Amino acid sequence: DGGITQSPKYLFRKEGQNVTLSCEQNLNHDAMYWYRQDPGQGLRLIYYSQIVNDFQKGDIAEGYSVSREKKESFPLTVTSAQKNPTAFYLCASSIGGSRTGAFFGQGTRLTVV
Amino acid sequence: AQTVTQSQPEMSVQEAETVTLSCTYDTSESDYYLFWYKQPPSRQMILVIRQEAYKQQNATENRFSVNFQKAAKSFSLKISDSQLGDAAMYFCAFTYGGSQGNLIFGKGTKLSVKP
Repeated sequence: DGGITQSPKYLFRKEGQNVTLSCEQNLNHDAMYWYRQDPGQGLRLIYYSQIVNDFQKGDIAEGYSVSREKKESFPLTVTSAQKNPTAFYLCASSIGGSRTGAFFGQGTRLTVV
Repeated sequence: AQTVTQSQPEMSVQEAETVTLSCTYDTSESDYYLFWYKQPPSRQMILVIRQEAYKQQNATENRFSVNFQKAAKSFSLKISDSQLGDAAMYFCAFTYGGSQGNLIFGKGTKLSVKP
């Protein structure tokens, strides 16, 4: 079945450590996105990518990094520079930009301990 | 700047009844798209319905329909014959034609369905 797979579902990190969240899609979508969700907030865009080897910063990119070496994969690294990394992270993809509506993975809950 | 506002943090509906969730947006763009997403307790975001701004006809998907008032910049979601499985967070979202990726979300409305 086609879809978006995020792993792991739950992730714990010690302060000062970098951690990478995985996102893989087999929908053959060109565009991929990372969003952050905090309690009482909507989703906020961290990074997005329209094509392989190209990506753009979203509204809250500080403390995060991404890569897009393959069409299917768009991993997100939460670096130690991210001051408040505990949140729910959602990866999404779409056929062409976001005007068609994006399809989301099941999310990763990151907790800093 | 584009903004999306959902003024109802929580709503409640009796099973089999109808409920309307409100959303307003602000934009100077003429080519844009509006969405309603559902986030159940599993937390996976599910696309419920999509509306293109240039289409006057309101979008409908089974029990879900929208009331798109372009001049008022209003985009409400009506859920008919509410079911227990409709209980979730509902997010209104916006994007525009010149955007390369930014879906802008409201803060959500938590819908409870009473049996």
